[in-house]
Amino acid sequence: RKEVEQDPGPFNVPEGATVAFNCTYSNSASQSFFWYRQDCRKEPKLLMSVYSSGNEDGRFTAQLNRASQYISLLIRDSKLSDSATYLCVVDRGSQGNLIFGKGTKLSVKP
Amino acid sequence: DTGVSQNPRHKITKRGQNVTFRCDPISEHNRLYWYRQTLGQGPEFLTYFQNEAQLEKSRLLSDRFSAERPKGSFSTLEIQRTEQGDSAMYLCASSFPRRGYTFGSGTRLTVV
Repeated sequence: RKEVEQDPGPFNVPEGATVAFNCTYSNSASQSFFWYRQDCRKEPKLLMSVYSSGNEDGRFTAQLNRASQYISLLIRDSKLSDSATYLCVVDRGSQGNLIFGKGTKLSVKP
Repeated sequence: DTGVSQNPRHKITKRGQNVTFRCDPISEHNRLYWYRQTLGQGPEFLTYFQNEAQLEKSRLLSDRFSAERPKGSFSTLEIQRTEQGDSAMYLCASSFPRRGYTFGSGTRLTVV
């Protein structure tokens, strides 16, 4: 089993749609969880951290289920500018470095 | 600019040549990471430093790869005897422990 697995993409949605990305991780000792956004040929940028209680940042909501080792990202009212690849990221427990999923590509169409 | 800086942005080299990349992290961050990313894949961990100590190296980091972080400030990643399979984006990031990373713009290596 891969350390971090994400929904296969691409997701093609119209403007205004709600879209959800899912991610599972294999290391039960993981402590830190993030979603990153990566635009084409650019570096990944931190979108948001993910907490057990769930957290929201504007149109973006992240959820963590430790028991199922599952992370989600919900984007409401999609904008054209949301088009990017979304990377699910999990730490390796005590070893400290972050493990990135392959990413899910989102295309928001007019 | 207080972000992570990487140089050069692009590097084209002939197979068999040595290349060296530099990363200047955010000055307050004590951790520095190197990742490699190829098309359609997420970034893959190579190695990381806490201050000047190299704490972990991935199995991806063959004997041809070496990284240093003298004095716990900037870091260099050297690839000796480059191969076509080394062509990738090399990303550097810095952070505080257990925090999200800030990435540099990367160095795109093409081995011809």
